[in-house]
This record gives sequence, C-alpha cells and structure tokens, in this order.
Amino acid sequence: EPEVTQTPSHQVTQMGQEVILRCVPISNHLYFYWYRQILGQKVEFLVSFYNNEISEKSEIFDDQFSVERPDGSNFTLKIRSTKLEDSAMYFCASGGGELFFGEGSRLTVL
Amino acid sequence: KNEVEQSPQNLTAQEGEFITINCSYSVGISALHWLQQHPGGGIVSLFMLSSGKKKHGRLIATINIQEKHSSLHITASHPRDSVVYICAVQKTSYDKVIFGPGTSLSVIP
Repeated sequence: EPEVTQTPSHQVTQMGQEVILRCVPISNHLYFYWYRQILGQKVEFLVSFYNNEISEKSEIFDDQFSVERPDGSNFTLKIRSTKLEDSAMYFCASGGGELFFGEGSRLTVL
Repeated sequence: KNEVEQSPQNLTAQEGEFITINCSYSVGISALHWLQQHPGGGIVSLFMLSSGKKKHGRLIATINIQEKHSSLHITASHPRDSVVYICAVQKTSYDKVIFGPGTSLSVIP
C-alpha cells in the first residue's frame, strides 16, 4: 500500500529557532498539502502545493512559513522563527481524490 | 459558524452495539471523507463519498447531498474501534480538506 512518510516524528526546539519538517509524498501524486493540529483542537489547513507552486494558503500560513519541493520527491515545510503557539502536530497529505496522510510530525516549541 | 459539524462529540458504547456518528456540513462539496485518528495522532482515510453509500467490513458510510448530511455506522462494535472519527469535506476535487471537530469513540468490553 502506498504511503506518505514524514520526518521527524517529534522535534523539540527553542523559540526563535528554524524548523524544517519533511514529507515524502506518494510518487505519482501531484497535489500536496500541509495541515496542523494544535493539541485538543481540530485539524486546520495550512497550504496546498501543485505544479511546484502554492495553490492556496490559509491565514495561518504567514511569512514565517514556507514550502518547497527541493528535489522532486521531498516536500518540506519550513518555519523560520518558531513561536510557542507553533507547537502542534503537522500533517502532510498527498493525492487529490482519495487522500493519503502521513503519520504527522509533532513539534514542541519551548 | 463551523462549516463541518459532528455529533456526538464523545460516545461511549458497549461492545457489540451498533454505533452511528453524524456529520453535517454547510457548503457545497464534491466529496466527503471519513477518517480515523489514532492515539499517536496518525490519520487514516476510511471512506471518500460523493453520493450514496459505501461499506468496508463493519463500517458503513452514507451521504445525503440534498440534506448536507452524512453518517458513519459501525456494526458489532469492538474495543479496537476506540479512536477518533473525523468527518471532512472538499468543495472541489483537489481542494483543501475542511475538517470537522471529530468524535471520540470508546467501546467498553
């Protein structure tokens, strides 16, 4: 069964540090997404990515966030200067019709 | 107002019971998803529906497009069904998914 893989599974960082979360989507998929879930809350959309560019982003996805697909397989989410409120589970998804989610990367900002 | 609502928020059932989780949404959609979220956080897709009904094992999902409502049924519930069930919708194909708040199910032996 095809799967989306995410690394790291858990990262602890100090406030103000840069964090890169990585995702390997399913190889023949063209649409990629990042979502986040703050503890105890529902999953929220961050950004969608198609044809090597952002197709939609939410209000949450401000200038401290960026996404790229550096090598045709990995799909990364960068948070430039982390804040306490960035502590959440971050999910990558790929597909479009049926969606495939990664296991998530838990980010803890101290 | 949330675009996707679920009820109940929490549900406790005895093993073997028939379970129904409801989802209502307020926007036009091309697809509705039912997902499981496991204790470690991982999300697994159960069903994608655009009309009618789908069945997989003991799980049945139905959707009524006119009423903007979907249900997820679990027959012969088992303690291993005790996870969070999430309803989510897409307005168009390849659009972002809009998530509901989830229903936490606990099945007691």
